Amino acid sequence: GQQVMQIPQYQHVQEGEDFTTYCNSSTTLSNIQWYKQRPGGHPVFLIQLVKSGEVKKQKRLTFQFGEAKKNSSLHITATQTTDVGTYFCAGNGGSNYKLTFGKGTLLTVNP
Amino acid sequence: GAGVSQSPSNKVTEKGKDVELRCDPISGHTALYWYRQSLGQGLEFLIYFQGNSAPDKSGLPSDRFSAERTGGSVSTLTIQRTQQEDSAVYLCASSLVVHEQFFGPGTRLTVL
Repeated sequence: GQQVMQIPQYQHVQEGEDFTTYCNSSTTLSNIQWYKQRPGGHPVFLIQLVKSGEVKKQKRLTFQFGEAKKNSSLHITATQTTDVGTYFCAGNGGSNYKLTFGKGTLLTVNP
Repeated sequence: GAGVSQSPSNKVTEKGKDVELRCDPISGHTALYWYRQSLGQGLEFLIYFQGNSAPDKSGLPSDRFSAERTGGSVSTLTIQRTQQEDSAVYLCASSLVVHEQFFGPGTRLTVL
């Protein structure tokens, strides 16, 4: 079945440093979504990417979808302590409902 | 507006007992999902409902797990004869088909 791999598993940065997490799918995706889960909280939707090569920005966050629609990345510029949490990618392989989640990247930020 | 709610928020049970977990999705959301999240792990898909039917039960770990949805709204996940490996956070999410999923706060299940 479809697998979604996410690296790194953990990332610790100093406040102000940049952060990137990468997501790779074993199959071509129709779209990919990103979620953030704060410690003790539940996943919250950040964004959905649909088009090959698509790049979307949300303030300090930049999301990319690869040309082959099999990989994606989330980059945070100048991290802040509010960025702490686990970032999950979730790929949709063409069904109209099912998302396959990566294991997530836990980001911690040292103030 | 009201988000997805789940109850109970915490459940401690003894091995071998049955448990029922409840999910109230966002009104009007036809799709409902159950996931399981073990400590420090990703989200494991369990089951998906479209309306009251469950076209995909492929993620249910064993026949001890079952779920139903009534009136296109509330869903119940039942685990029979609980085992220690069932301990996890059970998350429910709802959505308008393949759009963003809105997650509830989860039920933390501990099996002693």
